[in-house]
Amino acid sequence: QQPVQSPQAVILREGEDAVINCSSSKALYSVHWYRQKHGEAPVFLMILLKGGEQKGHEKISASFNEKKQQSSLYLTASQLSYSGTYFCGTEISGAQKLVFGQGTRLTINP
Amino acid sequence: DGGITQSPKYLFRKEGQNVTLSCEQNLNHDAMYWYRQDPGQGLRLIYYSQIVNDFQKGDIAEGYSVSREKKESFPLTVTSAQKNPTAFYLCASSMSQGPYSNQPQHFGDGTRLSIL
Repeated sequence: QQPVQSPQAVILREGEDAVINCSSSKALYSVHWYRQKHGEAPVFLMILLKGGEQKGHEKISASFNEKKQQSSLYLTASQLSYSGTYFCGTEISGAQKLVFGQGTRLTINP
Repeated sequence: DGGITQSPKYLFRKEGQNVTLSCEQNLNHDAMYWYRQDPGQGLRLIYYSQIVNDFQKGDIAEGYSVSREKKESFPLTVTSAQKNPTAFYLCASSMSQGPYSNQPQHFGDGTRLSIL
């Protein structure tokens, strides 16, 4: 029931865009996105609830397609500070807990 | 400032020894969680608690135990039954609003456990 993230790793130059996908085999109630810098705690980015909403925060936004049981995270005009590993955490309806994907390592080069 | 404090930052365990990892929060959150992270891997849920004096097993609870006697504290004991305890352990907390996880989880800085 662990969600599958793709790609596993991506390398960009500063200013380029990236898309990270998170897919589940189960019906989802919510999807959480977090970013973790090496050796640090994960930091919350956003939550998407079922209903197909799209949320955004500056140049980072996300969508949630309930029917396809997947979510995508969009990073626009990437900055060096965006480097890190991105995790999606999914909640199956009624589970009361998150199951995290294996992570996507994003490297931004100058 | 409100937050989650995990201690110690680094911990070493001898074979056959139990060790306890501390997690304290002053965010007034009802729910608390323990995750294990192995190199290059995601977060795997060990135990979680939605309310004081109650907790549930996560996906990899074998070899671990917890207690939740106070709202702000959720210590994790790694017992000698856990054969491969070397990992990065993260504690998190969130506000609890019923049965769904529609609140963000706030993480501590983690404890890195190694076997001597």
